[in-house]
Amino acid sequence: AQRVTQPEKLLSVFKGAPVELKCNYSYSGSPELFWYVQYSRQRLQLLLRHISRESIKGFTADLNKGETSFHLKKPFAQEEDSAMYYCALSAPGRTALIFGKGTTLSVSS
Amino acid sequence: DAGVIQSPRHEVTEMGQEVTLRCKPISGHDYLFWYRQTMMRGLELLIYFNNNVPIDDSGMPEDRFSAKMPNASFSTLKIQPSEPRDSAVYFCASSLGGTGVYEQFFGPGTRLTVL
Repeated sequence: AQRVTQPEKLLSVFKGAPVELKCNYSYSGSPELFWYVQYSRQRLQLLLRHISRESIKGFTADLNKGETSFHLKKPFAQEEDSAMYYCALSAPGRTALIFGKGTTLSVSS
Repeated sequence: DAGVIQSPRHEVTEMGQEVTLRCKPISGHDYLFWYRQTMMRGLELLIYFNNNVPIDDSGMPEDRFSAKMPNASFSTLKIQPSEPRDSAVYFCASSLGGTGVYEQFFGPGTRLTVL
């Protein structure tokens, strides 16, 4: 069965520290992976998708098929990065997204 | 553009009552999704529509849940009868087809409490 696992419910770091939000998935083929973010009092929105291979707000994520992971990274965390982050998966040809349970990132000064 | 609009934002009802949640997708989007968010299960897809037609309702928990999309600008999710375990935040999202289908635009959610 397709599954997305985010092992950490809460990740607390200091401003300027590196951040890594973990995401592991279970899927036998080649899925598409995404990160969605929800800032306080804002709507859930797409942050980045692996196929774009781009950096958004300093965040990057690399798909590691061997480890079935899609961790979200940022070298220097900012307070405005504090939010709930969801990893999501879609099987090729499928429209539906399967979301992980989310990780709350808290960045303090 | 106001984005995806959901109403009501909060709903408190008693067990056994009928609950109707409403959603207006972004104009021009041809996909509409209904999700439920709980602490235990996270964000779960309930059902989605393409061009007003239900495509996958495998996430709908049971017959007490039903969803309709009578036209391109309106959808409802109905729970009848409601139970306390239905308490959750219900999100509606919409997206374009093609390569844009995975960029889903979410509404603010409806927080449902069933007493």
